Amino acid sequence: EIVLTQSPGTLSLSSGERATLSCRASQSVSNNYLAWYQQRPGQSPRLLIYGASTRATGIPDRFSGSGSGTDFTLTVSRLEPEDSAVYFCQQYGGSPLYTFGQGTNVEIK
Amino acid sequence: VQLVESGGGLAQPGGSLRLSCAATGFSFNFYPMTWVRQAPGKGPEYVSGIGTDGSTSYGGSVKGRFTISRDTSTNTLYLQMNSLRVEDTATYYCAKILAPGSPYFDYWGQGAQVTVSS
Repeated sequence: EIVLTQSPGTLSLSSGERATLSCRASQSVSNNYLAWYQQRPGQSPRLLIYGASTRATGIPDRFSGSGSGTDFTLTVSRLEPEDSAVYFCQQYGGSPLYTFGQGTNVEIK
Repeated sequence: VQLVESGGGLAQPGGSLRLSCAATGFSFNFYPMTWVRQAPGKGPEYVSGIGTDGSTSYGGSVKGRFTISRDTSTNTLYLQMNSLRVEDTATYYCAKILAPGSPYFDYWGQGAQVTVSS
């Protein structure tokens, strides 16, 4: 099983600041099958980034993804109040087919 | 795209529940579909998936107890859950795969709460 470890656990920043979230895999993620999701309180997860760096439909360009192999990053260039949420990374491959990280909680001060 | 789950509720350990997911707004036949669950305060966990050819896969903790199926005549996804355990307690989401060969969850339902308790 490929284990995804996200850091930090919580990020507390002000509006307009830059957020950098990390996702580290226990083994190399094949074909960069790595995605990021946003989950606001009481809502279902929303796909932000897939293929490590491709924005999903309707996602603002202040969200960007990078990385390959075992180290991946989600960057939010200018935080807005509605970005307050938990962010999860997800990979595909191995057994089980899909695994998720434990999440990073982004708080807007 | 809309995914609407139903069938959640309270079950006793060892009991059964059947979840349904009504899918609208896209060509249901052409997309793999999945069930993903999330316990309070935890990250999501893959439960099961079914391909357009009917092929199935399961997460390790539910293998042999849960069965996924799809009815293309009614555009409905199912999850039959047997031999339920307390640790199966979670919100269960129906989620659509972005496209065959693109293994990402692009649409999620609102979730169905499943509680297993005596």
